Amino acid sequence: QVQLQESGPGLVKPSETLSLTCTVSGGSISGYYWSWIRQPPGKGLEWIGYIYSSGSAYYDPSLESRVAISVDTSKSQFSLTLRSVTPADTAVYYCARGKPSLTGVVYWGQGILATVSS
Amino acid sequence: QSALTQPRSVSGSPGQSVTIPCTGTSSDVGGYNYVSWYQQHPGKAPKLMIYDVTKRPSGVPDRFSGSKSGNTASLTISGLQAEDEADYYCCSYAGKYTYVFGIGTKVTVL
Repeated sequence: QVQLQESGPGLVKPSETLSLTCTVSGGSISGYYWSWIRQPPGKGLEWIGYIYSSGSAYYDPSLESRVAISVDTSKSQFSLTLRSVTPADTAVYYCARGKPSLTGVVYWGQGILATVSS
Repeated sequence: QSALTQPRSVSGSPGQSVTIPCTGTSSDVGGYNYVSWYQQHPGKAPKLMIYDVTKRPSGVPDRFSGSKSGNTASLTISGLQAEDEADYYCCSYAGKYTYVFGIGTKVTVL
């Protein structure tokens, strides 16, 4: 059974960089797409971006200038970096296998709350 | 790109059917047959219920069905059950390798 686990700091200061890692177990990271999706408290889901195991990445246009997703197949991990954060970036961040539609996402991490506050 | 439009809430009695519309544009919902639906219970990760407009993943009851007409996709829950009470989100491919979610609909079982 494929399992995903997010890790990273729960608190980030405004204007700094949020870095999260997703560790994949129970299956190979190669040959799949890997997504990051977030959910501000009390609000809806927001697609951030995804990466293929070969390294090609695509992002939401509204975040593209601040976001990067990378993959390390040797560690079965992929990562999210979000620069110049503001309180509006406070959210539960989910890592997931697959694209949000076009076959959809079956496997999700449990989510990690990242709070932006001084 | 703007979030897809969904009603904030719908409700129904056990055994009834409810339909949740998801309205976009010709650049997303109307332009591709790549709409998915997710169910989310409080404090839990979303669960895929429908993908590619009409397809159900293994294990999803056939009470859940999807359809699309023009720029509007719909999720129908037939024979509503108490455990169906949750938030539901649509998601569509929006071209150029991007995706957009709906604002979400809370389904209440009366």
